[in-house]
Amino acid sequence: ELKVEQNPLFLSMQEGKNYTIYCNYSTTSDRLYWYRQDPGKSLESLFVLLSNGAVKQEGRLMASLDTKARLSTLHITAAVHDLSATYFCAAGGGADGLTFGKGTHLIIQP
Amino acid sequence: KAGVTQTPRYLIKTRGQQVTLSCSPISGHRSVSWYQQTPGQGLQFLFEYFSETQRNKGNFPGRFSGRQFSNSRSEMNVSTLELGDSALYLCASSLTRTGGWETQYFGPGTRLLVL
Repeated sequence: ELKVEQNPLFLSMQEGKNYTIYCNYSTTSDRLYWYRQDPGKSLESLFVLLSNGAVKQEGRLMASLDTKARLSTLHITAAVHDLSATYFCAAGGGADGLTFGKGTHLIIQP
Repeated sequence: KAGVTQTPRYLIKTRGQQVTLSCSPISGHRSVSWYQQTPGQGLQFLFEYFSETQRNKGNFPGRFSGRQFSNSRSEMNVSTLELGDSALYLCASSLTRTGGWETQYFGPGTRLLVL
């Protein structure tokens, strides 16, 4: 059974700082997905990582995938308040559908 | 291009009742997946439909069922509602099967409260 673990689950940081969210998964998965959820809203797709070594960047967010280590990271550069949200990673998508991590609740303070 | 729509957005039911939720995917998308989101369990996969066939099913009891129509619209049904079924139910659509290279686009969700 695929398990996906994110850490930290809660992160409070200051604007302008850098930080990384980690996503570990327990069994082989060639694909890893990152989503953002604002309070009371649905999920917004951020990145789809399809192969080992994949790196994608959008604005202040950069995601990478290491399938050998079963690890994906979401790096936030020079954080701004608008990035405050809950970030989910998800893996799998086969017979058991996507398995999501518990989410990282990110608060960025001025 | 219109996004994924879900109806109704909010629903209050009592224990023992049944409920049907609807999802209209993005035009052209053939895969529809359903997820349950609760504070305790997080996001959990319910099932996926592709070309009117259920392809995958998560670890949920048989009270949870669904179907997909020829126009790719999907419905999910929960019978004999329990308090623990209170959740945000999210529908997601994609061009291809879940787990592929395509992004899944999520709808706004239906918030179900069971009293």
